[in-house]
Order: sequence, then structure tokens, then C-alpha cells
Amino acid sequence: SQKIEQNSEALNIQEGKTATLTCNYTNYSPAYLQWYRQDPGRGPVFLLLIRENEKEKRKERLKVTFDTTLKQSLFHITASQPADSATYLCALDGYSGGGADGLTFGKGTHLIIQP
Amino acid sequence: KAGVTQTPRYLIKTRGQQVTLSCSPISGHRSVSWYQQTPGQGLQFLFEYFSETQRNKGNFPGRFSGRQFSNSRSEMNVSTLELGDSALYLCASSLETPDWNEQFFGPGTRLTVL
Repeated sequence: SQKIEQNSEALNIQEGKTATLTCNYTNYSPAYLQWYRQDPGRGPVFLLLIRENEKEKRKERLKVTFDTTLKQSLFHITASQPADSATYLCALDGYSGGGADGLTFGKGTHLIIQP
Repeated sequence: KAGVTQTPRYLIKTRGQQVTLSCSPISGHRSVSWYQQTPGQGLQFLFEYFSETQRNKGNFPGRFSGRQFSNSRSEMNVSTLELGDSALYLCASSLETPDWNEQFFGPGTRLTVL
């Protein structure tokens, strides 16, 4: 079955530095990968989508890479700010050959940006 | 444009009861997905509806069901509640399929089963 792994431990980064979060997956070849941000008590908020044929995508201070050989996506936040503190989730499209199965989410990485 | 709304926001039930949760998607969105979020399992896909038809279903027992109305509003029902059903239930809408479209999540319904 599909398995998505994100660093379950909190990631502490000093303000101004680049935060890098990892999403690894197994037993699957997704056509798309999405990243979401979730704050306590709120629903996830979409950040970026990257397709399998795209190596990198950027949006303001955010950058996502997608390496289908390593089966890994990296999510970078440059010039990090305390307001970036949140849980970040990666999600894969659930297409498994027999039909779409909905998005499969990782458990998320809690990012803490310290002033 | 109004976001995704979910009602109620909080709910307390006892084992054996049933519950119905409601979701109103963003105007114009035809796809509605439901997810269960728990600390241990994370965010898990329940099912997705598109144009009043269930298009996809996750690995949950038959006690979990849903439906979508002609105005795209959706409801999910959980019968014979168990303690393990305590979770945050999230609804998300998108224009078409959630796989390659941005999903807009509601604030969720926090269900507690006693």
C-alpha cells in the first residue's frame, strides 16, 4: 500500500534561515504531489502542487522539488518567519491504476520558527 | 467568495448513537471530499462526491456514509458510533477532481464520542 513519510519530530529553525521539510513515499508513482499548511484548530490550506514531470516549483518564499527517482519531495521556506510556524502536510494523488482513490496525506511535520 | 462551511463545529455523542455532519462547498465547486483527522493516524480520506455521485471511497467501515445534493452541499453520517470515531472531520471542496486541483478545506467538525 502507499506509504508517505514526513519527519514526525518538530523542526526548529531560527528566524531568517531556510526551513527544509521532507516528504518520502513508497509503493507508488504519483502524478501529482501537493503541500498544505495547517494551523491548530483549522483545516489545511493549500500551498503548492507539483506534477511528476516538474522538478521544481516556486511561489514567493516557498520552493518545492519533486524527485521521482528518489521518491521524495522537499519543501523549502526561505527567509523563515515566526508566522511560518505551523504543521506542513504533503499529499499524493491516489491514482493506483484502477481509479482515483483520493488524496493520501502524510502525518505532517511541525515547524517552529524561533525569533 | 465564501469559504467552505461545516456544521456543527463541535459535537458530543455517546457510543451507539449516530451523527450527521454537514458541509457547504465553495460556490461553483462540484467535488466534495471528506477526511478524518486523528493524532495517531493523521488525515485519512473517507470519500469523495462529485455531481451527487460517490466517486471514490477510502478504507473505512460501512458505518461511514455520505451523500451530495444537487446544490453540491454534502452530508456524512456515522452510525453506531464508537469511541475511536472521536476525531476532527474535515470537508474539502474543489472545482473538479481533488487529485490535481487545489482543495479548500473547511474548519472541521470536532466529534467527541463518550
